[in-house]
Amino acid sequence: RKEVEQDPGPFNVPEGATVAFNCTYSNSASQSFFWYRQDCRKEPKLLMSVYSSGNEDGRFTAQLNRASQYISLLIRDSKLSDSATYLCVVSGISNFGNEKLTFGTGTRLTIIP
Amino acid sequence: EPEVTQTPSHQVTQMGQEVILRCVPISNHLYFYWYRQILGQKVEFLVSFYNNEISEKSEIFDDQFSVERPDGSNFTLKIRSTKLEDSAMYFCASAWVYGYTFGSGTRLTVV
Repeated sequence: RKEVEQDPGPFNVPEGATVAFNCTYSNSASQSFFWYRQDCRKEPKLLMSVYSSGNEDGRFTAQLNRASQYISLLIRDSKLSDSATYLCVVSGISNFGNEKLTFGTGTRLTIIP
Repeated sequence: EPEVTQTPSHQVTQMGQEVILRCVPISNHLYFYWYRQILGQKVEFLVSFYNNEISEKSEIFDDQFSVERPDGSNFTLKIRSTKLEDSAMYFCASAWVYGYTFGSGTRLTVV
């Protein structure tokens, strides 16, 4: 089983639509969870951390289900600028910021005008 | 906003040659990393570095790879004898308590 598994897509959705991405991870000892965004041939950039209680940042909502080892990202009112690859990322037990990150393969999103 | 700087942005090298990829991490960060991404594939961890030594490395990071922080500011990744399959985007990252910052990457092409 892959360490971090995502639907590779592509997801092609019209501007203004709501889109949801899912991710599962295999290591139950994982402690920190993130969604990163990667534009074509660019570095990954942190979109948001994911907490057990769920968290929201503007149009973006992330959820974590530790029992199911499942992470989700919801994007509401999608914009053309949301077109990118969304990476599900987990890291292991340690102080935040000094553990290796394990990346999923990413889900490609294209917003259609 | 502080940045992680990587040079060169693109390196073309012949198979069997040595390459050194350079990174300048954020100045107050203490943890340093190299990741790579083969075209069309996921980002993969190579090595982490803390307190002037390797703290963890992946199976990819074999004897052909080495890292160094020679002068307290630069952080380098050396590949001794490049193979075609080393062609990838190499990302440096540094971190402190508040998480990672990635550099913009070096695209290595081995011909």
